[in-house]
Amino acid sequence: GAVVSQHPSWVICKSGTSVKIECRSLDFQATTMFWYRQFPKQSLMLMATSNEGSKATYEQGVEKDKFLINHASLTLSTLTVTSAHPEDSSFYICSAIEDGYTFGSGTRLTVV
Amino acid sequence: EDQVTQSPEALRLQEGESSSLNCSYTVSGLRGLFWYRQDPGKGPEFLFTLYSAGEEKEKERLKATLTKKESFLHITAPKPEDSATYLCAVHSGYALNFGKGTSLLVTP
Repeated sequence: GAVVSQHPSWVICKSGTSVKIECRSLDFQATTMFWYRQFPKQSLMLMATSNEGSKATYEQGVEKDKFLINHASLTLSTLTVTSAHPEDSSFYICSAIEDGYTFGSGTRLTVV
Repeated sequence: EDQVTQSPEALRLQEGESSSLNCSYTVSGLRGLFWYRQDPGKGPEFLFTLYSAGEEKEKERLKATLTKKESFLHITAPKPEDSATYLCAVHSGYALNFGKGTSLLVTP
């Protein structure tokens, strides 16, 4: 089946620094990828939709200048959390449409 | 606005004790109802997609059913390895809208 590879699986960064998360589609091309955020015991909340070669579409309440999304190729989408703060600590998950909706393994971000 | 409500929030079963998880939804134009399994610290793992009322799908000890207002995930004779969070999501537009999940613990 389809595989979406997400890296890193966990990252700890200092407050004020930026962190990049990568999401790759293996063996298929993903024109569209979705980025979700999940807080403990909460549901996955859609943050943004990235489209290859065009600007991402952000959900209401998500700061586009803080969460930079780049989808420069058909197999790679990246999410950069800029000037991270402790409240950005969360579990970030990407998804692509292949075999239904296939999800990456997630990235646990901890900002200290 | 789409709404997905899962119950119970948590469920503890003895090995072999069958039960059902509920997913109630409100959506304008259902294009699919999805069930996923999520283990701690991992991304969701696809289980089923249901598209129309009356549809049923099975996989090993799991069976998913769909009505116009809700879906059930039936777990028959569960084993400890079935312990996980089960997520329900609806597709009405372009992305999935998730419920909060049911955390299932199956004890030996």
